[in-house]
Order: sequence, then structure tokens, then C-alpha cells
Amino acid sequence: AQSVAQPEDQVNVAEGNPLTVKCTYSVSGNPYLFWYVQYPNRGLQFLLKYITGDNLVKGSYGFEAEFNKSQTSFHLKKPSALVSDSALYFCAVRDMVIGLNTGFQKLVFGTGTRLLVSP
Amino acid sequence: DTEVTQTPKHLVMGMTNKKSLKCEQHMGHRAMYWYKQKAKKPPELMFVYSYEKLSINESVPSRFSPECPNSSLLNLHLHALQPEDSALYLCASSQGGQGRYEQYFGPGTRLTVT
Repeated sequence: AQSVAQPEDQVNVAEGNPLTVKCTYSVSGNPYLFWYVQYPNRGLQFLLKYITGDNLVKGSYGFEAEFNKSQTSFHLKKPSALVSDSALYFCAVRDMVIGLNTGFQKLVFGTGTRLLVSP
Repeated sequence: DTEVTQTPKHLVMGMTNKKSLKCEQHMGHRAMYWYKQKAKKPPELMFVYSYEKLSINESVPSRFSPECPNSSLLNLHLHALQPEDSALYLCASSQGGQGRYEQYFGPGTRLTVT
């Protein structure tokens, strides 16, 4: 089964500083990787994905992620953090399951990293 | 319109009640999902519908019963729930189920079972 790991429960950064939220993956075959953000009492919002192509992926709200095949990593980055970026961030990977009718693909989420940006 | 709507936002129900959660999307997406999320944990997949057919049931107890009346609507019927079923229930949709498509999530229904 495919999996992702988020080694940090929490990341603290000062506003205006660059931020990195780490994610490593374990897959067989080509990985499809995603980042989502969740604000308090809200659903998840899609930030960006890597399917194929350029290793640097740009997404919503100024976020970007770098796919590194040799290090099996897909870290989320932003050059200058905002207090409003404070939220819970999930990395996810596509996995294959045997469904009721045929093979089907689903997302497997990491445990999440809480980002706190201080003023 | 990239919005997934869910009703109600909050629901409190007793263990003998029957209630339903509703989800709607108008993006033309053909895959729809139900997730359960406990506090500070990642979402756990419950059910997936693809082209209005149930494609995945992640061994969810029968007290949860999904329904997909049409391509825009997804319901989750609840009956005889347990207190441990209290959680945030999230609905999501995607263009397809092939895994390359991102999922769009609704704001969730906060369920409390008393």
C-alpha cells in the first residue's frame, strides 16, 4: 500500500519568514501526490498536486512544492508566511483499492502538520 | 462554481434516532466521497460513488447507509449510532476516480451522538 509520512506534528514560523512543511512518500510505481489545507471547523482545501512533469509545482495562495524522487519527498513551501496561513496541512498520495465493481483509486492522507505563524 | 455544500452544519442525535446528512455539487463531477474525521486526525474514507454507483465501502458499519440519488447529490443515512461515531463528516467530489484529479471538499457536518 502507498503511504505518506509527515514527520512534524507542528511547525512554528514568524510572519514574513519562509516556511516548509515536510512530507515523504512510499509508493510502488509513479506517485500522485497532493497537498491540502484545513482551517478550523472547515473542510479540506486543495493546494496543489504532482502527477508528472516539472518537479516544482506551484499552487494556490503562493504555496509551492518540490517533488524529489531520490529523497522520496514532496515538501510544501512558501517564501513568506502570513498569519492567515496558520492551519492544519495534509499531504496525500493516491492508492489503489479493489472496489465493489473494479479497481479504484483513493487518497491516503498523512497525519497532518499544524502550522502556526506568529505575528 | 467549485463549491460542495453540506447540510446540516451541526447535528445532535440520540442513539435511537434516524437522521440524514446531505451533500451537493454542481461541478459535473462523477465521483463523490464520504469521509469521517476525528479531531486533529486525517480524514478516513468511508464510501465512494463513481457514476452514481457505490464503488468503495471501507468496511463501514451498517448503521451508516449511503445513497446517491443522482450525479449531484449524495446522502448519508444514520441510524442507531454510537457515541464514538461523533465526528466531522466530510463530503467530497472529483472529476473522476482515477486518482489524478483533486478532490473538492465541503465544509462538513459536525455530528454529536448522545
